[in-house]
Amino acid sequence: AQTVTQSQPEMSVQEAETVTLSCTYDTSESDYYLFWYKQPPSRQMILVIRQEAYKQQNATENRFSVNFQKAAKSFSLKISDSQLGDAAMYFCAYRTPRIQGAQKLVFGQGTRLTINP
Amino acid sequence: GAGVSQSPSNKVTEKGKDVELRCDPISGHTALYWYRQRLGQGLEFLIYFQGNSAPDKSGLPSDRFSAERTGESVSTLTIQRTQQEDSAVYLCASSLLPPQETQYFGPGTRLLVL
Repeated sequence: AQTVTQSQPEMSVQEAETVTLSCTYDTSESDYYLFWYKQPPSRQMILVIRQEAYKQQNATENRFSVNFQKAAKSFSLKISDSQLGDAAMYFCAYRTPRIQGAQKLVFGQGTRLTINP
Repeated sequence: GAGVSQSPSNKVTEKGKDVELRCDPISGHTALYWYRQRLGQGLEFLIYFQGNSAPDKSGLPSDRFSAERTGESVSTLTIQRTQQEDSAVYLCASSLLPPQETQYFGPGTRLLVL
């Protein structure tokens, strides 16, 4: 079974600076999808960024980018120019690309990010 | 367009009572998922619906948990004889046809069993 590990329960960063959140995963599959979701106090899970394992290029979305190291099974999230609105729980998630059956997401335990003004 | 909606937002119940949670997926989304999030934890998969196919119930923690979905519309998650360990946030997500599509989440229902 796939597992996702986030080793940093909490992180903090000064506003406007850069922070990196770590995520590692374990799988025997060669093709899969990886995601970072943000969960503010409103509880709504918001997709931040996604990466297809077959793509070598790291995904980027504005101030958010990932460092995908497939051999190391590592998928870190970098937030540049941190803003107060980035404060939230961040979850790393894995999903199999199987056609049949549940495309369930397997989540890490989360990292609580605090932005200091 | 409208996102995934869930009701109620919060539910407090007494141990032993049954509860029903509702999820309205994004219109046109064929896939629907239920997840559970215990306090300070990540999300755990409960059940998956895809069109008219048999649901994947592999994540349901006990036979007190059940869920239904009619076609590609509303889904209800029912917990019978609630226990204190059922206290959690229950999140619903929907997506277009997997596997490529992203799951979009609702705001969740916070369940507290006293």
